[in-house]
Amino acid sequence: DAKTTQPPSMDCAEGRAANLPCNHSTISGNEYVYWYRQIHSQGPQYIIHGLKNNETNEMASLIITEDRKSSTLILPHATLRDTAVYYCIVRVADTDKLIFGTGTRLQVFP
Amino acid sequence: SAVISQKPSRDICQRGTSLTIQCQVDSQVTMMFWYRQQPGQSLTLIATANQGSEATYESGFVIDKFPISRPNLTFSTLTVSNLSPEDSSIYLCSVESAVNYGYTFGSGTRLTVV
Repeated sequence: DAKTTQPPSMDCAEGRAANLPCNHSTISGNEYVYWYRQIHSQGPQYIIHGLKNNETNEMASLIITEDRKSSTLILPHATLRDTAVYYCIVRVADTDKLIFGTGTRLQVFP
Repeated sequence: SAVISQKPSRDICQRGTSLTIQCQVDSQVTMMFWYRQQPGQSLTLIATANQGSEATYESGFVIDKFPISRPNLTFSTLTVSNLSPEDSSIYLCSVESAVNYGYTFGSGTRLTVV
């Protein structure tokens, strides 16, 4: 079973920051949090991942709470092309498996 | 990151037949993962394929229905057997990238069973 919960949908105005929350209250100490997005039935696209420190790359920032029970993906300046389903995933320890949850459908509007 | 070529991209099959999906990676990888995505749903892991050993199936998926081959470190096939309309889904393969430890996904195979 998925170890994450996300809101089913969110809206964001173009040019504004999109903050996508994720709860993973049962995460183990050695399990990573991954974020992917899927645009209209294409293969999921890797965004970012982290263990306990905040992470940033050219696509997004990942903020993980100190107790690691939740995280937030931040798209600093959302564009229309960021409209997609965003998945927060916990990589299962010792198996390397990614178990997908239901995701958040982000709609960026002009 | 790894580049995956997945074939076919789509197919329409008659019920009772089988479809074999191929996944070719441009680098050697230890594990390959097969997923199913039913219409409007999230991805569900079917199995993990290791080279030289039998695939490990997730709960609800069995080898007779979803036989997997993994003949070498760059290639795998998933067969969906005895097709029924309920098998109409997108099937995707995935590998772990050695570069950034993210996972790369193929573009998927859209299967329609009629």
